[in-house]
Amino acid sequence: QSALTQPASLSGSPGQSITISCTGTSSDVGSYTFVSWYQQHPGKVPKVIIYEDNKRPSGVSNRFSGSKSGNTASLTISGLRAEDEADYYCLSYTRTSTRVIFGGGTKLTVL
Amino acid sequence: QLVQSGPEVKKSGASLTVSCKASGYTFSGFYIHWVRQAPGQGLEWMGWINPQSGATNYADKFQGRVTLTRDTSTSTVHMNLTRVRPDDTAVYYCARDVNWRLDPWGQGTLVTVSS
Repeated sequence: QSALTQPASLSGSPGQSITISCTGTSSDVGSYTFVSWYQQHPGKVPKVIIYEDNKRPSGVSNRFSGSKSGNTASLTISGLRAEDEADYYCLSYTRTSTRVIFGGGTKLTVL
Repeated sequence: QLVQSGPEVKKSGASLTVSCKASGYTFSGFYIHWVRQAPGQGLEWMGWINPQSGATNYADKFQGRVTLTRDTSTSTVHMNLTRVRPDDTAVYYCARDVNWRLDPWGQGTLVTVSS
């Protein structure tokens, strides 16, 4: 199984909005399953920020939002802040829900 | 929470076991996944175990080399990786599967494999 496709890097200025895409296939992202998103700061443990395509765990800022259309899921961060600088990973289950696939990760730089 | 065993240093060809002890919830109620991250690289899914039944599922890449087991008496999951190589050097994480997301994660275990 290949990793889901994410842009390797993105950058934005404070206050701007950015969107990270996560492209898979009809066997994973585009199937009847859910995508979640994880934020990882350097040297830290990954933290879920979006689950079931577009839900936020309690305590996660509403500046983070998720969506999915066809074989592509997206994470949007609005009102960029310095603390948003991190690596972001998407995760999808496969159609049969027996396997899990991560995206390759996106390094977000806040200029 | 999930608490993992400490760092490991191994020689090529050896076997490795990392443990993940769960607390604060019903151990048998949630799958446990293992994910690894090589230095400077992304997250890589290795497999999951159903703590209730012991059923497992592994990524194709690790089939034949990884084994996940559980001990319900101690609420602990063990990840065993055989025939390790230098490119198995990574931080290994366990994580609980809750409604299609991995949460929480263990603190990570650094494994270093030397030739």
